[in-house]
Amino acid sequence: GAVVSQHPSRVICKSGTSVKIECRSLDFQATTMFWYRQFPKQSLMLMATSNEGSKATYEQGVEKDKFLINHASLTLSTLTVTSAHPEDSSFYICSASTGVNIQYFGAGTRLSVL
Amino acid sequence: QKEVEQDPGPLSVPEGAIVSLNCTYSNSAFQYFMWYRQYSRKGPELLMYTYSSGNKEDGRFTAQVDKSSKYISLFIRDSQPSDSATYLCAMSEGQFYFGTGTSLTVIP
Repeated sequence: GAVVSQHPSRVICKSGTSVKIECRSLDFQATTMFWYRQFPKQSLMLMATSNEGSKATYEQGVEKDKFLINHASLTLSTLTVTSAHPEDSSFYICSASTGVNIQYFGAGTRLSVL
Repeated sequence: QKEVEQDPGPLSVPEGAIVSLNCTYSNSAFQYFMWYRQYSRKGPELLMYTYSSGNKEDGRFTAQVDKSSKYISLFIRDSQPSDSATYLCAMSEGQFYFGTGTSLTVIP
């Protein structure tokens, strides 16, 4: 149980395009979903927290207009990287929480912006 | 002082060894304690979680929480090369806090 599916696992795009990443909780309802960014050999960096039906709460330094988060249902959250640039290239990971204080992670999305 | 401290390693052990991974924390309000395993280029995978104090065992893995010392441990018995990964501790009292991760290599 407690499976989180993240799609796509890998995306390569041209500079200036937008990329959408989906995060789904497959067998539970996620009251809260989280989006992280991870650079090579570094720890997780929390970007934002989203609750279903509410606006996401962004961490300091994360551009809201660059990283659009939508949490439309209890099983789906999306992260859209708008007008992506090479510096946005990174590993993005979502996680979901059931309300019990545990997070379950997706497999991650590797974004490369050319 | 960080909420959660974890030695980044790297830690290198021979196959079959017992591995001890540890985290310390400062917030006595933490109630949930988790260990995640992260392979390279993959998302973290929940290994075990413990509520409040005590021990929990699952196969070759044992998690211990000592709230009086604000110290948690993960023990891996009979370590295997497939255990080579980064191990993250995490804690929660509503808000989540992660350690920086310990890189483990088990040498065949």
